[in-house]
Amino acid sequence: AQKVTQAQTEISVVEKEDVTLDCVYETRDTTYYLFWYKQPPSGELVFLIRRNSFDEQNEISGRYSWNFQKSTSSFNFTITASQVVDSAVYFCALSGGTSGTYKYIFGTGTRLKVLA
Amino acid sequence: SQTIHQWPATLVQPVGSPLSLECTVEGTSNPNLYWYRQAAGRGLQLLFYSVGIGQISSEVPQNLSASRPQDRQFILSSKKLLLSDSGFYLCAWTVTGLLYTFGSGTRLTVV
Repeated sequence: AQKVTQAQTEISVVEKEDVTLDCVYETRDTTYYLFWYKQPPSGELVFLIRRNSFDEQNEISGRYSWNFQKSTSSFNFTITASQVVDSAVYFCALSGGTSGTYKYIFGTGTRLKVLA
Repeated sequence: SQTIHQWPATLVQPVGSPLSLECTVEGTSNPNLYWYRQAAGRGLQLLFYSVGIGQISSEVPQNLSASRPQDRQFILSSKKLLLSDSGFYLCAWTVTGLLYTFGSGTRLTVV
């Protein structure tokens, strides 16, 4: 069975601090995708990044960076120099298999509060 | 362009009343469609998905049902709402599985 664990329920940081959101996944598929989404107070889900199981390169996009490690089944997300606008719920998700159903399994989310 | 419409945005319904939430997709054909629910302070739970017209798969036993009467229309229904049906409902679609496009969501409060 597939599973995504986001152990951090809520994190509070002061603006300009760096913060890392953890994501650990379980799957038996050899081909799979991992995602991070941001959910601001409005509720809509905003896509941040997708990573396939064959690409373990870390990625940096502005203040955001992602660390994918298959050896530990983790896909962690770091925000550098956090800002108040980063306050949101962040979801990690997993999709895999060849059934064509493309189901996403989401973690329970991490609520990030960035204080001014 | 590809868009997804979900309505209504908010809904307050009494216990025991029926429910119908609608989701429509534009700009694509034969998408996979999904209904997710987010209970207060919790993660996103997959309720139903559909890979084609009339094809519905349920992920969890519940008081809700789904239908797909047309290729780009996905409906979530209930005959009698329970308090536990309250939550934020999100519709999503994908063709390739590489990216979900989510609707703006419906916040349902059952009173």
